Amino acid sequence: SQQGEEDPQALSIQEGENATMNCSYKTSINNLQWYRQNSGRGLVHLILIRSNEREKHSGRLRVTLDTSKKSSSLLITASRAADTASYFCATDEVTGGGNKLTFGTGTQLKVEL
Amino acid sequence: EPEVTQTPSHQVTQMGQEVILRCVPISNHLYFYWYRQILGQKVEFLVSFYNNEISEKSEIFDDQFSVERPDGSNFTLKIRSTKLEDSAMYFCASRRTVGKETQYFGPGTRLLVL
Repeated sequence: SQQGEEDPQALSIQEGENATMNCSYKTSINNLQWYRQNSGRGLVHLILIRSNEREKHSGRLRVTLDTSKKSSSLLITASRAADTASYFCATDEVTGGGNKLTFGTGTQLKVEL
Repeated sequence: EPEVTQTPSHQVTQMGQEVILRCVPISNHLYFYWYRQILGQKVEFLVSFYNNEISEKSEIFDDQFSVERPDGSNFTLKIRSTKLEDSAMYFCASRRTVGKETQYFGPGTRLLVL
C-alpha cells in the first residue's frame, strides 16, 4: 500500500450518522494532518495530530493516531449534508529537507438528507 | 485570519508556452511549498523552499520547473515549456516552523494546457 492510503475510498451515509475514515502510512512521522476538499476546490486544514499524541478533538471531529500500527482515523460525528467532500490524510515525515506532506488517496464522503 | 492567496485562479495556455503561477504566503511563515493535483488523483508534492533556496524537490520537479521568491512576499512557480500532462490544480502552501506546524494551503490555480 502507498504512504497515506485511506479507506474506504467512498462512503455514503445519512445526515446525523457518524462517518469514520481510516488512513494507513508506512514511514515515521512528525505529525499527521487531515484535510478536506470540496469538489475541484482548495484544501482546508481540519486537524493536526502529533506523533506523541493518541487522540485529538475539534468540534465534531475526532482523530486518533496509532503509531505502532501506523494508522489514523477521522471520525465526523452527527454528519451534515455540508460535510460532503473528499477527506485526505497527509503525513509529515521524519526526513531531511523541507518536511513535505505526503497525501493519501482520499475518502469521498457523501452525506445525504 | 491570514491566508495564502494564489493568482490566477484559472490559466489556459498552449503547449510549449511558459506559465508563472503566483502565491502570497502568510506573512510570518518561513517555509513554502508547491503541490499539484491532477484531476481525480491525489495531491503530490513538487518542491519545498526555505531561506531562498530549494530544500527538497520531487522527481516531478524537473528542469522545466523553477521557483522564486522575488520580493519577500511573492512565491512563484514557473513552468518553462508546458506539456499537456502539466494540466492540474497547483497549490501553494506555507508553514511557520519545521516539524510541528500545519501547512496552510492556498485555493489553487487550475492550469489547463491545450
